[in-house]
Amino acid sequence: KQEVTQIPAALSVPEGENLVLNCSFTDSAIYNLQWFRQDPGKGLTSLLLIQSSQREQTSGRLNASLDKSSGRSTLYIAASQPGDSATYLCAVRQEYGNKLVFGAGTILRVKS
Amino acid sequence: GAGVSQSPRYKVAKRGQDVALRCDPISGHVSLFWYQQALGQGPEFLTYFQNEAQLDKSGLPSDRFFAERPEGSVSTLKIQRTQQEDSAVYLCASSPRPVNTEAFFGQGTRLTVV
Repeated sequence: KQEVTQIPAALSVPEGENLVLNCSFTDSAIYNLQWFRQDPGKGLTSLLLIQSSQREQTSGRLNASLDKSSGRSTLYIAASQPGDSATYLCAVRQEYGNKLVFGAGTILRVKS
Repeated sequence: GAGVSQSPRYKVAKRGQDVALRCDPISGHVSLFWYQQALGQGPEFLTYFQNEAQLDKSGLPSDRFFAERPEGSVSTLKIQRTQQEDSAVYLCASSPRPVNTEAFFGQGTRLTVV
């Protein structure tokens, strides 16, 4: 059974700092990995999608990497801002059954 | 519409009451998923449709939960005889093709059973 773990569970940083969120998964039979942002009381906003054949994706200040063989992904946020405060979720799309399996998330707080 | 739409946004149900949650996926999207998110947790898979076919319902927690997508577009998640442990946010997502594509989520329905 696929298990997705996110570390740390919570993170508080001062504005302007660069930071890294970690995601690991136990079964490498995945189609892709997706990073989401969730604001309190809201749904999920897709940030980056990395296909299993790719190593990384970039969007603005965000960069996500994928090492499928070792079952790891990182989300790098450059020059963090208070508006980045949210819960960040990673999810893998299973080859078997096509469903997304989520981690529990990292709660990020960026202090001004 | 431009995105996945869910209704109602909030639902309070008395224990034992039946509820129906609606999902309007992005037009033309083939795949539709339902997830349950408890407070402080990541979303947990409930069920998956490809067009009108329910291909996976392995995540439905009990036979009180039922989902349908009769015409391959709008989907309804029904919970019968609600219990307090059913209190959660129910999220719907759609994808344009059956496999290996990005998933787009709705805002969710927050269900509170009192």
